[in-house]
Amino acid sequence: DAGVTQSPTHLIKTRGQQVTLRCSPKSGHDTVSWYQQALGQGPQFIFQYYEEEERQRGNFPDRFSGHQFPNYSSELNVNALLLGDSALYLCASSFRTGGLETQYFGPGTRLLVL
Amino acid sequence: QKEVEQNSGPLSVPEGAIASLNCTYSDRGSQSFFWYRQYSGKSPELIMFIYSNGDKEDGRFTAQLNKASQYVSLLIRDSQPSDSATYLCAVNAGTYKYIFGTGTRLKVLA
Repeated sequence: DAGVTQSPTHLIKTRGQQVTLRCSPKSGHDTVSWYQQALGQGPQFIFQYYEEEERQRGNFPDRFSGHQFPNYSSELNVNALLLGDSALYLCASSFRTGGLETQYFGPGTRLLVL
Repeated sequence: QKEVEQNSGPLSVPEGAIASLNCTYSDRGSQSFFWYRQYSGKSPELIMFIYSNGDKEDGRFTAQLNKASQYVSLLIRDSQPSDSATYLCAVNAGTYKYIFGTGTRLKVLA
């Protein structure tokens, strides 16, 4: 049973460019959340996708957008990259039952913006 | 006040000892609580979750929750050098996002 997968593992971009990160959830999971983790910090919630809709969003600008596909996989897009966008981007998948949900993380994509 | 607070450490314990990691949270409506372990350069790995007041044990790990005091802890018995990592506390307040602390770095000394 495959866990959460993410691609690519590493990425180097320059300021102003755009980037797309991809995530496939764990088998049986229908919900995907994206987090940004800067060095020495805890993960910060970007947004969550469920039934192909953005269900909740954290405190991130509109430069951060996403999409969820019918097979539950998801993409995170970041436009007009800033140096401060350099971080580990984590995808977490989950399935909510009885109002409770447990999130499992993928290996992450490390983004460096030069 | 931060929503989820953890002592950044490092917390150093000798091999075989009990490591005690603590976390406080500000939202009294928080419903579920999670401990993740993160090795350097890797992604967080779920260790335990707890929803009800009291203790929950899983192998060498025990999670403790006190909602009245807004406090959750993780005890690691018989600590091993392989337990050396950053431990992240996460809280879910009934919404769809987890709020993470900054993590406590644990060092188990051989």
